[in-house]
Amino acid sequence: GNSVTQMEGPVTLSEEAFLTINCTYTATGYPSLFWYVQYPGEGLQLLLKATKADDKGSNKGFEATYRKETTSFHLEKGSVQVSDSAVYFCALSDLRAGTYKYIFGTGTRLKVLA
Amino acid sequence: DADVTQTPRNRITKTGKRIMLECSQTKGHDRMYWYRQDPGLGLRLIYYSFDVKDINKGEISDGYSVSRQAQAKFSLSLESAIPNQTALYFCATRAPGKYNEQFFGPGTRLTVL
Repeated sequence: GNSVTQMEGPVTLSEEAFLTINCTYTATGYPSLFWYVQYPGEGLQLLLKATKADDKGSNKGFEATYRKETTSFHLEKGSVQVSDSAVYFCALSDLRAGTYKYIFGTGTRLKVLA
Repeated sequence: DADVTQTPRNRITKTGKRIMLECSQTKGHDRMYWYRQDPGLGLRLIYYSFDVKDINKGEISDGYSVSRQAQAKFSLSLESAIPNQTALYFCATRAPGKYNEQFFGPGTRLTVL
């Protein structure tokens, strides 16, 4: 079945450090891939997405590339800020196979220190 | 105004009580979802609905029921709350289409004593 595996957190970085949060997936079809972010006390909101192999999603300085050969969608940011402290969720939606729901990873908590 | 609202935002109740969590949306989406979030487990799907007459169980529906009163309203009920239903509950909506994302409400923190 479909699944999403994220690196465990928490991840603690100093401001301006480089960020990578790993995400790998298994899917039977051709999923769309998403990164969501959850700030303290809030619901999840879409950060970026990619809908086919080799697509790069980007937003707010974050990037992730859909790598079909390695079934990965790692999240990166070149220089994190304190305001990036949040929980990040990788997710897939296997729409080609006709499935109707998202599958979320367990989330990775990021803490950025000033 | 928020596109997806949830009430209440926080609730403390006792074992055996009936609880209803409500979700309303102004996005005009036909698809609505209920999730619970637990530390280390991410989000798990409880129920989802594609329209007023279409209700489906998710991966952890036992102990829960839902009602889709209108396109814009989707309620989650715990008929007899138990302590392991203590969690953060999220409602989400999505437009039909291959690549559309989900839009989440702010969550309801439920504590069952």
